[in-house]
Amino acid sequence: ETGVTQTPRHLVMGMTNKKSLKCEQHLGHNAMYWYKQSAKKPLELMFVYNFKEQTENNSVPSRFSPECPNSSHLFLHLHTLQPEDSALYLCASSQEIKGRDEQYFGPGTRLTVT
Amino acid sequence: GESVGLHLPTLSVQEGDNSIINCAYSNSASDYFIWYKQESGKGPQFIIDIRSNMDKRQGQRVTVLLNKTVKHLSLQIAATQPGDSAVYFCAEGGSQGNLIFGKGTKLSVKP
Repeated sequence: ETGVTQTPRHLVMGMTNKKSLKCEQHLGHNAMYWYKQSAKKPLELMFVYNFKEQTENNSVPSRFSPECPNSSHLFLHLHTLQPEDSALYLCASSQEIKGRDEQYFGPGTRLTVT
Repeated sequence: GESVGLHLPTLSVQEGDNSIINCAYSNSASDYFIWYKQESGKGPQFIIDIRSNMDKRQGQRVTVLLNKTVKHLSLQIAATQPGDSAVYFCAEGGSQGNLIFGKGTKLSVKP
């Protein structure tokens, strides 16, 4: 256990559905991240939050909408997704935002868009 | 631009042998490097990290080597065990303050 939990672990949704992914960290960290992991591609950073404020949106389509109500919780709201959005979505946290700090990852949500 | 990549997508070793996984990076300004292990169905798990003021760091059965001259990073696993089978990622501390990940190398350990 890394101290970062994600629900659901698996999700199948149609292109017209609306769903949300949830992430919670129990580490007292200030920074939280959403990544997309597709087969045979590097981890793609989607969003970064620091102290509940979004500090980076890595050119992510608007059909992905993040929400960070507090430093411990992070959501990713999904609507009108495309089949190519099928991937493993990973949440991570770190003490602070800097590229010199270990990030702790959750187990991921395996998303399939039909 | 910044990029991190791995020389080999797959590596197969015999149980008990040593494994070496390589990584190349392109941003000479990066000063932090980290290795993650990802087992099937799990998120990436921290293995070891190293800062650019060092060229070697050892952990339990693992050693990371950093060659800044050729911008090369390697992970050595001693006495590889079946439980070491996983995908291994390297990442560098980017200038924008985010980690940049490589594609990953899949390590398979033969009994």
